[in-house]
Amino acid sequence: GAGVSQSPSNKVTEKGKDVELRCDPISGHTALYWYRQSLGQGLEFLIYFQGNSAPDKSGLPSDRFSAERTGGSVSTLTIQRTQQEDSAVYLCASSFNPTGADTQYFGPGTRLTVL
Amino acid sequence: GEDVEQSLFLSVREGDSSVINCTYTDSSSTYLYWYKQEPGAGLQLLTYIFSNMDMKQDQRLTVLLNKKDKHLSLRIADTQTGDSAIYFCAETPLMNTGFQKLVFGTGTRLLVSP
Repeated sequence: GAGVSQSPSNKVTEKGKDVELRCDPISGHTALYWYRQSLGQGLEFLIYFQGNSAPDKSGLPSDRFSAERTGGSVSTLTIQRTQQEDSAVYLCASSFNPTGADTQYFGPGTRLTVL
Repeated sequence: GEDVEQSLFLSVREGDSSVINCTYTDSSSTYLYWYKQEPGAGLQLLTYIFSNMDMKQDQRLTVLLNKKDKHLSLRIADTQTGDSAIYFCAETPLMNTGFQKLVFGTGTRLLVSP
């Protein structure tokens, strides 16, 4: 597709369950980012992937959060043992040139609700 | 530290100019960005400015940067009802890994009334 796509668009889960969120970046973009947007914390950076380099995980809030990027393209964000405070919109972005004027293109997000 | 602040709300009439202000803290930011978020939608890049510039104009949008005061503003000329959205500024502190992490402000909700 032409833009960044994310799935599912909405996810409702019960506290304690694991969830997986998927991101398909724009073809040819080497950099991929995850952010989350919540009422209490605003927009927060979570993790960054660039090519085959080790990801920058400095924004992950706890060890229940992990992400991988297979084949330099699709990425999956996994949240284990979800808590109510994990409820947020999870946004994925990709870019072509992460060291210049880095135009990050955002997907529509996955709205996660933890009951 | 990283802290980007914006006023939470701005209300204008259609046809007026809107000015959205932002203060940031990280002087290493090479680029500063403005994003727009419409209800239920993702973030859309509006414009950016390189840190050695003090002004950038792009059609109805004018970005002003005061690097000394770490103050950024976005002016929208002839504001339309379709401009109603949340506007985020973002700084880009340089990370050890060399990439630009976007640190977003709290967002300013712009409401344009006819």
